[in-house]
Amino acid sequence: AAGVIQSPRHLIKEKRETATLKCYPIPRHDTVYWYQQGPGQDPQFLISFYEKMQSDKGSIPDRFSAQQFSDYHSELNMSSLELGDSALYFCASSLSLTGGSYNEQFFGPGTRLTVL
Amino acid sequence: KQEVTQIPAALSVPEGENLVLNCSFTDSAIYNLQWFRQDPGKGLTSLLLIQSSQREQTSGRLNASLDKSSGRSTLYIAASQPGDSATYLCAVSSNTGNQFYFGTGTSLTVIP
Repeated sequence: AAGVIQSPRHLIKEKRETATLKCYPIPRHDTVYWYQQGPGQDPQFLISFYEKMQSDKGSIPDRFSAQQFSDYHSELNMSSLELGDSALYFCASSLSLTGGSYNEQFFGPGTRLTVL
Repeated sequence: KQEVTQIPAALSVPEGENLVLNCSFTDSAIYNLQWFRQDPGKGLTSLLLIQSSQREQTSGRLNASLDKSSGRSTLYIAASQPGDSATYLCAVSSNTGNQFYFGTGTSLTVIP
């Protein structure tokens, strides 16, 4: 079965550079979530989208932005990168409550971002 | 803000033992609760999902229970195996279903 795809899997950037992470949800899933997981920490919710509209916002810094496109893929844009942004970034997708599911999340393999 | 706590933070058991992992949350207004497994440096694998109206779910050697009113969930693993070694995370969703809060995780080691 198709899973959530994230690209790139690894990314190395310098401080103050920008980075774009991509997420391709499971086909037919209409909701996408982004999480940040620092070393030894639990995943922190950043932002979610439902049907291409932002639905919830968590602890996403102002330097980050995200959007969901017409084909339901999502991109997380990160600017003015800082050393503390080094983390695993996960994307998850689900079929929303209105889609008749229980909103079970399925996670991608993550993008490991290293800021030097 | 929803706070999710998992106890114990780490657990080491000999192979074959049954074990219980605990998850507690402060706001009972949730839509569902999901248990995940995470191997080091890897993504999260969904184990079980319990809707807020349910009391428990079972999958193979795993059984998860939910007591929404007291803000607790447990994950029971029967006949543990070395391959069960991983970090186990619980996550609760807001009652809109669009935001999830993760627990601090329990790192499990099953000794052969």
